[in-house]
Amino acid sequence: AQSVAQPEDQVNVAEGNPLTVKCTYSVSGNPYLFWYVQYPNRGLQFLLKYITGDNLVKGSYGFEAEFNKSQTSFHLKKPSALVSDSALYFCAVRDEPGGSYIPTFGRGTSLIVHP
Amino acid sequence: ETGVTQTPRHLVMGMTNKKSLKCEQHLGHNAMYWYKQSAKKPLELMFVYSLEERVENNSVPSRFSPECPNSSHLFLHLHTLQPEDSALYLCASSQEGASGITDTQYFGPGTRLTVL
Repeated sequence: AQSVAQPEDQVNVAEGNPLTVKCTYSVSGNPYLFWYVQYPNRGLQFLLKYITGDNLVKGSYGFEAEFNKSQTSFHLKKPSALVSDSALYFCAVRDEPGGSYIPTFGRGTSLIVHP
Repeated sequence: ETGVTQTPRHLVMGMTNKKSLKCEQHLGHNAMYWYKQSAKKPLELMFVYSLEERVENNSVPSRFSPECPNSSHLFLHLHTLQPEDSALYLCASSQEGASGITDTQYFGPGTRLTVL
């Protein structure tokens, strides 16, 4: 079975400060991990994914995520937050092989960047 | 965001109405999805059409009926809905590999549905 958890409903950070949005997962095989962002009144947009290879994955808009197998985590990070980064962020996981071929999404974390 | 389009963007309907949501993808993908997004809840997968095969979440009520006439178009037919069905309905598409592996999903902007 595959599952994902986003332990924070909301993250607040000041503009210019580093940000982290947390995600932990559970799979029986190897995880395929995704981050998506949703701006108000919009659909989800793909940010980045981890399939295999380097544990640090770089994505769109200056975001990156670090895959940590021992901690079963895939936290989203950005060195310097912008007000325009304020949005809803979703982590998703797929178990490979043997799991559902359709990703499971977390509940989402609302990121608020204050000027 | 023009890769996956959804119409209408907003819909208000009574419980006795029949309406349909439309989704179209221009990405050449072979899989399409319907999701329900409610406040404070995880994204709920409702239906998947993959390689023309339908996969559904058994918890979705029968008042929701999907239709996928081809790989580019997806409909969600609605009838006798309840107020708790009010939500954002998202369509997505992806390219599914031969082994059934789903790659990145591309989402439409959603239809905001309100049931009175």
